[in-house]
Amino acid sequence: GAVVSQHPSWVICKSGTSVKIECRSLDFQATTMFWYRQFPKQSLMLMATSNEGSKATYEQGVEKDKFLINHASLTLSTLTVTSAHPEDSSFYICSASAAVDIFTEAFFGQGTRLTVV
Amino acid sequence: RKEVEQDPGPFNVPEGATVAFNCTYSNSASQSFFWYRQDCRKEPKLLMSVYSSGNEDGRFTAQLNRASQYISLLIRDSKLSDSATYLCVVNWAGNMLTFGGGTRLMVKP
Repeated sequence: GAVVSQHPSWVICKSGTSVKIECRSLDFQATTMFWYRQFPKQSLMLMATSNEGSKATYEQGVEKDKFLINHASLTLSTLTVTSAHPEDSSFYICSASAAVDIFTEAFFGQGTRLTVV
Repeated sequence: RKEVEQDPGPFNVPEGATVAFNCTYSNSASQSFFWYRQDCRKEPKLLMSVYSSGNEDGRFTAQLNRASQYISLLIRDSKLSDSATYLCVVNWAGNMLTFGGGTRLMVKP
């Protein structure tokens, strides 16, 4: 199946610093990528939808100035957590789909475990 | 009410048992449905897609009941390796996936 690569797989950073997470579709072009966050023992929660060449659409309650999303090409989307705080510690996962209809599965990156100390 | 609801479990079953999970969804316009499996600290991976009334893949059977707005996943002859969290996923617009809270399965020897 299609491959989505996410990097880094884990990162530890100090409070107040920024962290960038990359999500790449390796063998297909992803017009749309999605960013999710998952806290321990909870399900994935959609943070934002990233469209190539345009501004991301954020879900209610997600601060767009804190979670900067850039989707500069059809194969790369980045999520930058700015001025990270311990409460931002979580598992962040991206997903991408090559399809334009709703019947094709989405492929997920390996996830990034962020720990803010 | 959550858009996609699942019994969180955990379901503790012995090897060889048959276990079933249900998932209800609130949006009647939902058109595609999936079961994903997520292992601890890993990304979700597609287990089965459910397009019409249901489908079967080996030990796994997924069914869709549009009238009652639920989908189910049946696992026969459970293996230790089936231990994971099973996520019910519903797609109702474009590629907007809505995840259920997941059902945790633990298969014991």
